[in-house]
Amino acid sequence: AQSVTQLGSHVSVSEGALVLLRCNYSSSVPPYLFWYVQYPNQGLQLLLKYTSAATLVKGINGFEAEFKKSETSFHLTKPSAHMSDAAEYFCAVRIIQGAQKLVFGQGTRLTINP
Amino acid sequence: EAGVVQSPRYKIIEKKQPVAFWCNPISGHNTLYWYRQNLGQGPELLIRYENEEAVDDSQLPKDRFSAERLKGVDSTLKIQPAELGDSAVYLCASSTRGNPSYNEQFFGPGTRLTVL
Repeated sequence: AQSVTQLGSHVSVSEGALVLLRCNYSSSVPPYLFWYVQYPNQGLQLLLKYTSAATLVKGINGFEAEFKKSETSFHLTKPSAHMSDAAEYFCAVRIIQGAQKLVFGQGTRLTINP
Repeated sequence: EAGVVQSPRYKIIEKKQPVAFWCNPISGHNTLYWYRQNLGQGPELLIRYENEEAVDDSQLPKDRFSAERLKGVDSTLKIQPAELGDSAVYLCASSTRGNPSYNEQFFGPGTRLTVL
């Protein structure tokens, strides 16, 4: 069964520093992978998605992620953190057989220190 | 374009009481999803509709939960009776039919339910 694991429930970085949020997936077939962001008291917003095209995917707000099949990873990065990036980030894998649903990781809370 | 609308935003009830949540998806979106998000967890799918048909309700606790989407537009999720463990944020999302493999889901702000 497909699943995702997010390493680190909390990540704290300084403003201007590199942001790295880790996501590993488990899938017996090529997956579709997503990163969503959730700001306090709001719904989830799509940051970027991998759908078997380019392995380096660029998203909104300066975020990008690289699909690495050999490492079964889809880590999210941003070169320079901004205070407005403070939020909860969720990695998700799309089950494309059967139920065709998103399966989310447990989330990583990103804190930005001034 | 208006996003996914949910109401109420917050609900506090006592256990054993009924509660209902309402969702209006983005206009033209055929697919509607209800998710439950427990504190500190990612969302988990409860039910998915294609127009008015529930095509995946395998994770819906059918003894107390029910949902409907009578005209294929807005939807209602009901819990009767509520239990303490139902405290969570209930998220509604919608998407176009398109290619089901990767069509983007748009989420509403959610309803935060507290059961006392």
